[in-house]
Formats: sequence, structure tokens, C-alpha cells
Amino acid sequence: GAGVSQSPRYKVAKRGQDVALRCDPISGHVSLFWYQQALGQGPEFLTYFQNEAQLDKSGLPSDRFFAERPEGSVSTLKIQRTQQEDSAVYLCASSPQGGSNQPQHFGDGTRLSIL
Amino acid sequence: AQSVAQPEDQVNVAEGNPLTVKCTYSVSGNPYLFWYVQYPNRGLQFLLKYITGDNLVKGSYGFEAEFNKSQTSFHLKKPSALVSDSALYFCAVRDIGGNNRLAFGKGNQVVVIP
Repeated sequence: GAGVSQSPRYKVAKRGQDVALRCDPISGHVSLFWYQQALGQGPEFLTYFQNEAQLDKSGLPSDRFFAERPEGSVSTLKIQRTQQEDSAVYLCASSPQGGSNQPQHFGDGTRLSIL
Repeated sequence: AQSVAQPEDQVNVAEGNPLTVKCTYSVSGNPYLFWYVQYPNRGLQFLLKYITGDNLVKGSYGFEAEFNKSQTSFHLKKPSALVSDSALYFCAVRDIGGNNRLAFGKGNQVVVIP
């Protein structure tokens, strides 16, 4: 079946511009996560949704970062007034409803470059 | 917070030799541990997990991992490495907070030499 789909795969923006990154999780998956992966590092948690509810946004680095999942399926991560330190790969992951023993399934990510 | 450490930056191994990628963890309570692999320009692929039960966990592509509570380790192993196993490997632990988010190590680059 289809996996987690992210678009665009690559995004180049000028400093100060706003960007929107899309995640289409596996159909029926209740949980959705966003991670940020800097070059040469492991992914860092940004935010978590259960259906349409954003239950944890403690990893968002600033109020320029905003995420939504209005209908409990597709999610969008928006970054306003981008800065060079926002350059990273943004990974989306989803998992079925269930306990913490469910593995997360990752998309291929969006590589964001801020000039 | 829960955390994992991957002490080596790069692991070099000859094709056909055993492969080991090390991971140690620091948690409060019972650890839920995972291994993922990442190929260039791709997302993370799940390999295996330890939740409870048998300390030796078998996963995808011939990989296995051994949970050792006394040494707080969860090393990834493969008896005979393939060139196609060359990739970035991440150990992860379920973080506290009840939302199943993962805390990842910094990753290990594995290079399998033909």
C-alpha cells in the first residue's frame, strides 16, 4: 500500500519568506508526527497530532512554526519569516492507533534550504 | 528525558563479516527501543523494536538486536554484512510524555566494503 507522502521533496526559499510543507499519512493512521533533521544529526521531534488534535507542540523551535491537521488526515507544517537556521530536512511520520509499541512510518522528507 | 547514545560515528566492515552498531540508552521506567535505517535522500525505514519479552529481537533484512538491561544497551547486529547495508542507522527510544514521540541518537554511518 501507499506509504507516507511528503511534498515538495525540495524547497528553496529566500530568508523572510513563508513556506508550507505537506504530509499525507498512511490511510487510517491516527497518529502523525513532524520531525526536523539537521545535517549530520538524528531527527528531532517537533509536534504530534492524534486525529485532528495537536496534543504536543513542545518541540516547535519558535512561534514562527505552525502545524495543522484540520480533518485528521493531511497535515501541513508552516514556517513564517524563514531564517537560515530553518534549513533542514523535515520528516513526517504516522502510526496506527494503538500503544507505544507501534512503529512510526516515515516519509522521504522535505529538504528545505533557506538562502 | 529519555535518550540514546550511539558512540561511534562510522562503522566500517568487510562484506560477509559480522556487523554491529552500538546503542546505549538512558530511561526512567521500561524502555521502548527502536532501530531505523536511512538511505540517502530517503526517510527512515523501521528495522525492529524491543518492547518486552525476549531479549533477542529479530527484524527486517536479516538484522537483529540484543537488549541488555544490565548494560543498558541495544546493539544492532547482522551476521553477514552486504554492500547494500551501507546506510545511516539510528537508534531511538520512546520519549516520556505519553505521545509516543521518539528520541533519536545521532546516527551511525555504516560502510560495507566489497
